[in-house]
Amino acid sequence: EAGVTQFPSHSVIEKGQTVTLRCDPISGHDNLYWYRRVMGKEIKFLLHFVKESKQDESGMPNNRFLAERTGGTYSTLKVQPAELEDSGVYFCASSQDYTAYGYTFGSGTRLTVV
Amino acid sequence: EDQVTQSPEALRLQEGESSSLNCSYTVSGLRGLFWYRQDPGKGPEFLFTLYSAGEEKEKERLKATLTKKESFLHITAPKPEDSATYLCAVQPFTDYKLSFGAGTTVTVRA
Repeated sequence: EAGVTQFPSHSVIEKGQTVTLRCDPISGHDNLYWYRRVMGKEIKFLLHFVKESKQDESGMPNNRFLAERTGGTYSTLKVQPAELEDSGVYFCASSQDYTAYGYTFGSGTRLTVV
Repeated sequence: EDQVTQSPEALRLQEGESSSLNCSYTVSGLRGLFWYRQDPGKGPEFLFTLYSAGEEKEKERLKATLTKKESFLHITAPKPEDSATYLCAVQPFTDYKLSFGAGTTVTVRA
């Protein structure tokens, strides 16, 4: 079974630019989650999709972040415009149901805003 | 708000030197407490789920236990390959999101 795939693995952009992160979940997993770890802090929840619908986006920091999951397959997380405090590692995870037992995390995208 | 505190932040062990990691938590109704292992450049890898106080789970040299306020991850006779960051997370009944602790970075020297 292929795992959760995220790309790019690293991205360095200038403040004010736009970046789009992509996550391909495990095939058949309806639940897709985005989490983020900023330097020195714990991993924090951003949002949760069930198929193509946003179930919970309470963790999204502000309206510069836009997540989509067209067709209930892969998901993108766009940051526009990027700010210095957006630097961190963005993790995607997927599961068949809501229990964390089924959570499989991707390797993450390390975003550096300079 | 759910809170998870892990201690110590870092732990350096000699190969074979057993030790324990602590995870203290507050949550409004615990659905499950989870332990993950994270290697550098990788995402968290699932280890255990604990659901109720008194429960224990084991996997190779790792054993996780749960009380109403905290969980311990015991590492017995660790090997260098056990070096990693160990993360604790809680999931409440009312939600599906995980609240993570900051992690304990374990280094095992040969």
